[in-house]
Amino acid sequence: NAGVTQTPKFRVLKTGQSMTLLCAQDMNHEYMYWYRQDPGMGLRLIHYSVGEGTTAKGEVPDGYNVSRLKKQNFLLGLESAAPSQTSVYFCASSYPSPPGAGGDGNIQYFGAGTRLSVL
Amino acid sequence: AQKITQTQPGMFVQEKEAVTLDCTYDTSDPSYGLFWYKQPSSGEMIFLIYQGSYDQQNATEGRYSLNFQKARKSANLVISASQLGDSAMYFCAMRESGLSGAGSYQLTFGKGTKLSVIP
Repeated sequence: NAGVTQTPKFRVLKTGQSMTLLCAQDMNHEYMYWYRQDPGMGLRLIHYSVGEGTTAKGEVPDGYNVSRLKKQNFLLGLESAAPSQTSVYFCASSYPSPPGAGGDGNIQYFGAGTRLSVL
Repeated sequence: AQKITQTQPGMFVQEKEAVTLDCTYDTSDPSYGLFWYKQPSSGEMIFLIYQGSYDQQNATEGRYSLNFQKARKSANLVISASQLGDSAMYFCAMRESGLSGAGSYQLTFGKGTKLSVIP
């Protein structure tokens, strides 16, 4: 019962370095998401994907890129890390279910998070 | 205006007592979903309960129930018989349908309520 798995769990970067966060889900979900959580705030959507080969911008996309080459994987890239990107990053996945009108309303299941510090 | 408002930054409850965590929301979409997530100190986001805007009855999941008052735009979480393991941050979130122009894929989160259960 792996669900949504994120790697790595922790990472420290220097300003200007690049890295990729990997998200893998084994629930055959169509939709996948990347969020960030900053102190005292709820989660904010960075990018999302509604299927293999498709991605779209969320609320706070600047400084990040994503790719979804396989249905089960969703990668989040930081090309040139900045201190403002210090945060906890969460990946989530869900079925394509409409909100409000029955079904599960697109319940999103989250990974355990990646704590990233940019110095 | 905030879409999700959680007015209680912190709450205390005696073990075995019931507690209500407040959540109000703002949307003009006719179809939307409301969610509660739990975030323990270990950091993961755990789905608790979902309520669709067209659901006639309040959602229940074990000790969790969602007090949905559509006219007042509130979706309070009720935890019955609190346990020490319930100590955590609790987030209310909403997914809109996008019929009125809002994004239809992301969850919009409140800032959370920290619940502490006292033995």
